[in-house]
This record gives sequence, C-alpha cells and structure tokens, in this order.
Amino acid sequence: AQKVTQAQTEISVVEKEDVTLDCVYETRDTTYYLFWYKQPPSGEWVFLIRRNSFDEQNEISGRYSWNFQKSTSSFNFTITASQVVDSAVYFCALNPQSGGSYIPTFGRGTSLIVHP
Amino acid sequence: DAGVTQSPTHLIKTRGQHVTLRCSPISGHKSVSWYQQVLGQGPQFIFQYYEKEERGRGNFPDRFSARQFPNYSSELNVNALLLGDSALYLCASSLGARAEQFFGPGTRLTVL
Repeated sequence: AQKVTQAQTEISVVEKEDVTLDCVYETRDTTYYLFWYKQPPSGEWVFLIRRNSFDEQNEISGRYSWNFQKSTSSFNFTITASQVVDSAVYFCALNPQSGGSYIPTFGRGTSLIVHP
Repeated sequence: DAGVTQSPTHLIKTRGQHVTLRCSPISGHKSVSWYQQVLGQGPQFIFQYYEKEERGRGNFPDRFSARQFPNYSSELNVNALLLGDSALYLCASSLGARAEQFFGPGTRLTVL
C-alpha cells in the first residue's frame, strides 16, 4: 500500500523567510513519480514539479527548490524568500510508474500562510 | 486554451438520490481522473480513465461509477447518496496515465 505523509498541517511565516514543506512517502514500487501541487485560496490547482524515482538530483526553479532523498523516502519542498502570494495549500503526491493499475496517492496537504 | 471544466459548480441532493458530475479535459488530454476531497484532507482517488478504458479504481463502493466518452470527456455517477458523500469532487486531466495532472475547479456536492 502507498502512503504520503505531510506532517505539517499548517505553517505560518513572515514574508522573506525561507520555509520547507516536508513530504515522506511509503511505497513497495521500485519505480514511481513524485509530485508537488499548489492550491491557492482561489482554489485553482497549480502543478509545480514531477520527479522520477530514478532521478535523485535536486532541482531549483527560481525561489523553489526540491530535495529528493530516496534513502529516507522524502521529497521536501523549500521556498526561499517567501512572498504573500505563496500562501496556499501544498500537496505532495505519489504515482506508481509501472504496473497495470494506476492508483495515485496524495498527502493531506500543508497550509502555508505568509504574512506581510 | 481552456483548462479543465466541470459542471455543475454546486449541487444539493438528498439522501438516496443519484447524481451525475461532468468533466471536460484540456484539449489533447486523453486521461481523466476523479477525486473526492473533504475539508482538511488531500484528494482521494476514485477513478482514472485513459483512452476510454478504466485504468485505476480507488477504494470506493460500487455506488460510484464513471465512464469516458469518445471526445475524452467524462462522467462520474454516484447512486444512493449518503450524507458522507458530501465533498468537493475534482476532475483532473493529463496527457498520459502517469503524467502531471491539471485539475478542474471541482463540483461541491452537498447531501442533505
């Protein structure tokens, strides 16, 4: 069975602070994809990143960076110099990469509040 | 290009009734997935259809069913509604079965 744990229910920071959102996963699959999505207050989801389990390189995109550690089954997301517009609920998700059946698993989400 | 669209936006039903939710994917996307999201939780996977075939089914009772049409739009049907079915139902489309998903605005279902 698959499981995605986002232990941080809510994080509150002041603008310009760095913040890390944790994601820990469990899977029996040897190959899988990991995702991060953003759900702003408007409700419209935004896709942020997809990571293949074979690729453990960290990735940086502007103020966003992702740290994939297969040894600890974690895929953490860091926002540098946070801004008010970063306020949203962030979801981590896991998809098996192979096999006939497709059942994605989402974490419960972390609500990030960035205060001005 | 238009994003994923869902209809209706809101729906109020009573216990025991039946409901049909509709979803139109992004043009060119052949995969549609359905999720149930209750407040404070992540989306729970219900179904995925790819090229009109069911590719995945989550842990939901047989009261839940879905189908995908030749134009790749999809319907989610729920029979014999229960109070616990009250939730936001999200539809997501993607190019492939395991690609990143693009979510619609959701249908808010309230069962009284």
